[in-house]
Amino acid sequence: DAGVIQSPRHEVTEMGQEVTLRCKPISGHDYLFWYRQTMMRGLELLIYFNNNVPIDDSGMPEDRFSAKMPNASFSTLKIQPSEPRDSAVYFCASSSLYEKLFFGSGTQLSVL
Amino acid sequence: GEDVEQSLFLSVREGDSSVINCTYTDSSSTYLYWYKQEPGAGLQLLTYIFSNMDMKQDQRLTVLLNKKDKHLSLRIADTQTGDSAIYFCAESADNAGNMLTFGGGTRLMVKP
Repeated sequence: DAGVIQSPRHEVTEMGQEVTLRCKPISGHDYLFWYRQTMMRGLELLIYFNNNVPIDDSGMPEDRFSAKMPNASFSTLKIQPSEPRDSAVYFCASSSLYEKLFFGSGTQLSVL
Repeated sequence: GEDVEQSLFLSVREGDSSVINCTYTDSSSTYLYWYKQEPGAGLQLLTYIFSNMDMKQDQRLTVLLNKKDKHLSLRIADTQTGDSAIYFCAESADNAGNMLTFGGGTRLMVKP
């Protein structure tokens, strides 16, 4: 398996624009997690899904953030409208009952 | 809530042993993990230990768990320059070991 695949690797956008981050989990994994990493706050769990269903979104900072998982092989994290303080590295990770958490390479988001 | 603490920085000479320490507060932790993050990359699972174990060895890596003191350590023998990275300690309290709480990471610098 190619591992957890995230796109894009880098995203630069202007404040107020919509940003969509994409993730393809490892095949067979039924848990999917979105994390955000910043120097100030470290790694924060934003939301996680089990069998495509959002289980806990208490880490989502504001209503500007939304996440979907329309099927077992695809998830998106959307920020609308984006703000400079959203600049961070966003990681997607997946796991199953039999395999531990594996991370994608991340999306470096810069909001100007 | 759960809290995981690590020192920020460790510097060692090539060939020496490195010991990275971590403390956690959740006494119901079931799994404890060590992840490695190289620059520009996602987190890579290095090793993990079940809470009923006190030691696990995997080649150059030795994990020690003191459950009474809630202290976890990662020893890297014969540290190489390629070991330079940020090391994250994490714990989970769910039975499957999927819901992780991460420490802030320890930056390991290996000097030639």
